[in-house]
Amino acid sequence: GQQVMQIPQYQHVQEGEDFTTYCNSSTTLSNIQWYKQRPGGHPVFLIQLVKSGEVKKQKRLTFQFGEAKKNSSLHITATQTTDVGTYFCAGTQGGSEKLVFGKGTKLTVNP
Amino acid sequence: ETGVTQSPTHLIKTRGQQVTLRCSSQSGHNTVSWYQQALGQGPQFIFQYYREEENGRGNFPPRFSGLQFPNYSSELNVNALELDDSALYLCASSLVGVGKETQYFGPGTRLLVL
Repeated sequence: GQQVMQIPQYQHVQEGEDFTTYCNSSTTLSNIQWYKQRPGGHPVFLIQLVKSGEVKKQKRLTFQFGEAKKNSSLHITATQTTDVGTYFCAGTQGGSEKLVFGKGTKLTVNP
Repeated sequence: ETGVTQSPTHLIKTRGQQVTLRCSSQSGHNTVSWYQQALGQGPQFIFQYYREEENGRGNFPPRFSGLQFPNYSSELNVNALELDDSALYLCASSLVGVGKETQYFGPGTRLLVL
């Protein structure tokens, strides 16, 4: 079945440092979505990428979708303490509505 | 806030009991998906309902069942609870057909099975 792997599992950075999390799928994806979950909270939608090679930016966050539509990354420039949380990628395959999540990368930021 | 609500927020049950969790979708959304999130893990897809019909199911046994009502609210029922069912249960609503497939998650129900 479809699997989505995410690395690293944990990342601890100093405030101001950059952060990147990577997502790899065992199968070609129709789209990839990114979510942020704060401690004790629920996943909050950040963005969706659909096209091969797509790059989208949201302020300090840059999202990329690989050419083969099997991998993706989220890069945060100059992290802030408000960036703390777990970042999940999730993808769908073909016409399926089933969203498969990675295990997430837990980001902590030292002020 | 997403406009998706879930009840109850917390629940404690004992092994073998049955539980019903409820979800109210965001206004205008006709699709609801349910997820199970164990501690330290990503959400796992249980099933999805579209216009009151099941529209996809993950690898969960038949004791996990659901309903969607004409107003698009939804229930998740779990029979014969097991200790491993302890988790955060999330529902997410979306509007199928507009090509965006963005899902809006509710705050979740934390279920503890003793």
